[in-house]
Amino acid sequence: AQKITQTQPGMFVQEKEAVTLDCTYDTSDPSYGLFWYKQPSSGEMIFLIYQGSYDQQNATEGRYSLNFQKARKSANLVISASQLGDSAMYFCATATQGGSEKLVFGKGTKLTVNP
Amino acid sequence: GAVVSQHPSWVICKSGTSVKIECRSLDFQATTMFWYRQFPKQSLMLMATSNEGSKATYEQGVEKDKFLINHASLTLSTLTVTSAHPEDSSFYICSANPSGGRPVSDTQYFGPGTRLTVL
Repeated sequence: AQKITQTQPGMFVQEKEAVTLDCTYDTSDPSYGLFWYKQPSSGEMIFLIYQGSYDQQNATEGRYSLNFQKARKSANLVISASQLGDSAMYFCATATQGGSEKLVFGKGTKLTVNP
Repeated sequence: GAVVSQHPSWVICKSGTSVKIECRSLDFQATTMFWYRQFPKQSLMLMATSNEGSKATYEQGVEKDKFLINHASLTLSTLTVTSAHPEDSSFYICSANPSGGRPVSDTQYFGPGTRLTVL
């Protein structure tokens, strides 16, 4: 079974600073994907970034980067130059690659960006 | 990115009634869609996998007779909460994968969600 652990219920960051949101995972699948989603107060789930287990390089998407450490089973999200609009819940998730694509989510981290 | 819509965005109903929620992929076809439920301040929990033209696959602990899923076309899946009760009040979100399921790097896109309140 797959499991995602997000140990930070809440995080605070000053505007324009960088912040790291932690995510560790547990899976027995040899091939898997790791995802980060943002959920603002409106409730929609916004896809941010994806990392495949066999990808050699860490994924980056604009201000988002994923610090993938396979041996440690961690997939931390780094947000650079935080903006007030980044305040939201952030969920890490995993899915089996080539499988049923069911996403398993962590409990989430609430990020608050202070002006 | 791909667009997924849900209707209605919110609904209030009386206990004992049934509520239908629609999930549509607007600019792509999806042989597989997923239904999640999210209680306040909690994470998303997968309820079932909706398969076009066949029966849905339910997660353990989800009552298939209470949460009816119909995936009648490649762009529409419906979730019907039958005989709803206050404990069914939740945020229901659907998602779909434009690739139809493979490879996983084609990420899932989520609908905006439906907030159900059962009085």
